[in-house]
Amino acid sequence: AQSVAQPEDQVNVAEGNPLTVKCTYSVSGNPYLFWYVQYPNRGLQFLLKYITGDNLVKGSYGFEAEFNKSQTSFHLKKPSALVSDSALYFCAVRDITPRDDKIIFGKGTRLHILP
Amino acid sequence: GAVVSQHPSRVICKSGTSVKIECRSLDFQATTMFWYRQFPKQSLMLMATSNEGSKATYEQGVEKDKFLINHASLTLSTLTVTSAHPEDSSFYICSARDILTPSSEQFFGPGTRLTVL
Repeated sequence: AQSVAQPEDQVNVAEGNPLTVKCTYSVSGNPYLFWYVQYPNRGLQFLLKYITGDNLVKGSYGFEAEFNKSQTSFHLKKPSALVSDSALYFCAVRDITPRDDKIIFGKGTRLHILP
Repeated sequence: GAVVSQHPSRVICKSGTSVKIECRSLDFQATTMFWYRQFPKQSLMLMATSNEGSKATYEQGVEKDKFLINHASLTLSTLTVTSAHPEDSSFYICSARDILTPSSEQFFGPGTRLTVL
């Protein structure tokens, strides 16, 4: 089965500094990878996805992620953090089997941007 | 972008009552919708996959008779929590995938906060 791991429960970054939120994956076949963000008491908002093509994926709100096949990683990055980026971030992988087609989420990483 | 709505956004009910949550795709059609449950400070747990015109597929450990799912049309799925108890209190989130772009991401609703007294 497909899975993703987010090794950090929380990441603290000073405003203006670059940020990285880590994600590693385990898949059989070609991975469909996603990043979502959740603000308090809200649903998830899509940030970006990797299906195929360029390893560097650009998404919403200035975020990007790099697909690294050799390291099985899909880290989320942003060159300069904003306080408003503080939220809960989920890495996810699409798990397609003959029985169903669903997205599996990592446990989430809480990002705190310090003013 | 595609919009998914949920209603109600918040519900408080007494133990033993049933609660219905609606999930609608507003500007696209979805043959498949998904229902998740999220506990405080935890990740989303997939409860079931809702298929238009057929029975839902439930994840292991999720009670089918407890969480009734109906996907009556390409834009509406409902989750009914039957005979709710305090342990059912949680944040329920639905999502949907656009039928026209099956390889696309899922679009999520804003969630429903259920509190069972």
